[in-house]
Amino acid sequence: GAGVSQSPRYKVAKRGQDVALRCDPISGHVSLFWYQQALGQGPEFLTYFQNEAQLDKSGLPSDRFFAERPEGSVSTLKIQRTQQEDSAVYLCASSPRDTQYFGPGTRLTVL
Amino acid sequence: GESVGLHLPTLSVQEGDNSIINCAYSNSASDYFIWYKQESGKGPQFIIDIRSNMDKRQGQRVTVLLNKTVKHLSLQIAATQPGDSAVYFCATDNQGGKLIFGQGTELSVKP
Repeated sequence: GAGVSQSPRYKVAKRGQDVALRCDPISGHVSLFWYQQALGQGPEFLTYFQNEAQLDKSGLPSDRFFAERPEGSVSTLKIQRTQQEDSAVYLCASSPRDTQYFGPGTRLTVL
Repeated sequence: GESVGLHLPTLSVQEGDNSIINCAYSNSASDYFIWYKQESGKGPQFIIDIRSNMDKRQGQRVTVLLNKTVKHLSLQIAATQPGDSAVYFCATDNQGGKLIFGQGTELSVKP
């Protein structure tokens, strides 16, 4: 069956550019999560949606990061004015209840 | 703050041997624990989970043990195969849905 998909898989941005990362969750999954994974580290929580409501955005590192899920399915993570420290893999996960299922991630490189 | 840690960053085993990967957590209120496997270039893949009202759970070739007294979690893989080579993360649910991940243990299986 279809799992969580993310696009693009790789993104190279020049410092200062805006980027948008897309997540298509598993159909019917109510909850959607975004995580950031630095090289050699475990994923770190960014934000969480239940349907279209953003219930927790405590992990977003700055106001340059913004996430939305307007219709309760597809979600977009937007990063404005990218900085080199934003370089990481951005993971999306969806969950029907407790267990979170992850997508392949988007590797963002900021030059 | 809350933390999840692994005892060893790397583990090398012979094919066919059993592997044990350990994890410690700090939040005694954690009630849900998950093990993920992450292969290079992929997102974390769910392996097995356990709730705090249990101390052992078995899956196919994998067993998770939970010791709440010392806040310790372990993953046992029986008859380790080359396809088991990956980074393994333990994670706890922070009772708000967001997962707190450890740093990961890289398992290498020698043929």
